[in-house]
Amino acid sequence: AQSVTQPDIHITVSEGASLELRCNYSYGATPYLFWYVQSPGQGLQLLLKYFSGDTLVQGIKGFEAEFKRSQSSFNLRKPSVHWSDAAEYFCAVGNDYKLSFGAGTTVTVRA
Amino acid sequence: SQTIHQWPATLVQPVGSPLSLECTVEGTSNPNLYWYRQAAGRGLQLLFYSVGIGQISSEVPQNLSASRPQDRQFILSSKKLLLSDSGFYLCAWSKGSLGDTFGSGTRLTVV
Repeated sequence: AQSVTQPDIHITVSEGASLELRCNYSYGATPYLFWYVQSPGQGLQLLLKYFSGDTLVQGIKGFEAEFKRSQSSFNLRKPSVHWSDAAEYFCAVGNDYKLSFGAGTTVTVRA
Repeated sequence: SQTIHQWPATLVQPVGSPLSLECTVEGTSNPNLYWYRQAAGRGLQLLFYSVGIGQISSEVPQNLSASRPQDRQFILSSKKLLLSDSGFYLCAWSKGSLGDTFGSGTRLTVV
C-alpha cells in the first residue's frame, strides 16, 4: 500500500527566508512523486513531479524538490519565500491511475 | 490547451436531499478522471476514479456514487446526503503519468 506522511502541519517563515517542507512516503516500487499547492478555497496546482532520472527536480514558482530513495523522502525547498507562497502544500505518491496525498502543510509567511 | 470545469462552486443542501456534482474536461480525449474529497484540516481522499466511459472504481465505501456518461464528463451523486458528506470536493484528470490536474472544487455544506 502507498502512503505519504507530511510531519509538519504548520510552518511559519519570514519573507525572504528559505523554506523546506518534509515528505516521507511508503511505496512498493519506484514511486511517482508530486508536490501540489492549494490556495484557500481553490483547487490544487502542480508544482513539480518526479518520475525518474535526476533526483533534484525543478518546479514552478522557484520551488525544487529532491528525491532521496535511501530516506524515502521527497522534500520541497525554496531559497527565498515570497508572501504569495502562503498556502497549503501537499505531497503525493502514486502511479498512472491513483495518487495518495499527505495531510498537507500550511505555510504562513510573516513580513 | 486542456481545461477542467467543475460546478457548482458552493452548495448548501439539507440532510436527506440528493446531490449531483458535475465535472467536464476539454481539450483532451480518454482522460483518467477522479473525484477527491478534502475534509477540513486533512489531505485529499480519493473517492472514485475512471479510466473510460462507464468504468468506475470506488476507493472508499460510502454514501456517494459516480458515473461517467461521456468520455470527458464525470458526475458525483448521492441519493440522500448525510451531515458527514460535507467537505470540499475536487475533480481531477490525468493522461498517462502526468499527475492529476485539478478543478477549482465544490464546497458542499450539508445542513
